[in-house]
Amino acid sequence: DIQMTQSPSTLSASVGDRVIITCRASRSVSPQLAWFQQKPGKAPRLLIYKASNLETGVPSRFSGGGSGTEFTLTISSLQPDDFATYYCQHYLSYPFTFGPGTKVDIK
Amino acid sequence: EVHLVESGGGLVQPGGSLRLSCEASGFTFSDRYMDWVRQAPGKGLEWIARIRNKANRYTTEYAASVTGRFTISRDDSKNSLYLQMNSLKTEDTALYYCSSGTKIHDYWGQGTLVTVSS
Repeated sequence: DIQMTQSPSTLSASVGDRVIITCRASRSVSPQLAWFQQKPGKAPRLLIYKASNLETGVPSRFSGGGSGTEFTLTISSLQPDDFATYYCQHYLSYPFTFGPGTKVDIK
Repeated sequence: EVHLVESGGGLVQPGGSLRLSCEASGFTFSDRYMDWVRQAPGKGLEWIARIRNKANRYTTEYAASVTGRFTISRDDSKNSLYLQMNSLKTEDTALYYCSSGTKIHDYWGQGTLVTVSS
């Protein structure tokens, strides 16, 4: 199985900050990598698919990058609505696996 | 507008069974692959099962943690997805989401809570 890790596990930031979350896979998963946002008590929301494609309706301040085993989710200017937990997931082969999550909270 | 509505969760004793349902609307259900993803309280997301569409013979995939105990199925005539869960363990306690999409998990339901406890 492909293992996914994320760093950092928690990130404290202020509104307006540039935020970068890293996701690493135990072997290449390109380009089958997605990013999700989850707020407390809510279902996850797809942000990015195929590593760098922005899902319809997602603000352009979100972007995805990377390839192979290392990927990033960047929020160019953090907004109050962005405080949440972010998960990466590969979908190259079964079983699909999620990273452990990165919680972005208010500094 | 896409809607996925899960139901069937509840409290069950270890070793027991439960059947979850997910009713879909707002898209052509029969064309799509469907997934179950779960989230234990305070924990991360875990993909557990997928069923393909008729064109792909309704074939299925499972995570190792549920293989042999859970069965995913669908009824395209009812736009419904199911998860039959047998031999439940305390570690199966989680919020169970159904999910689908043309990319990966584009759409999610609100989840149904399964609690396995004596």
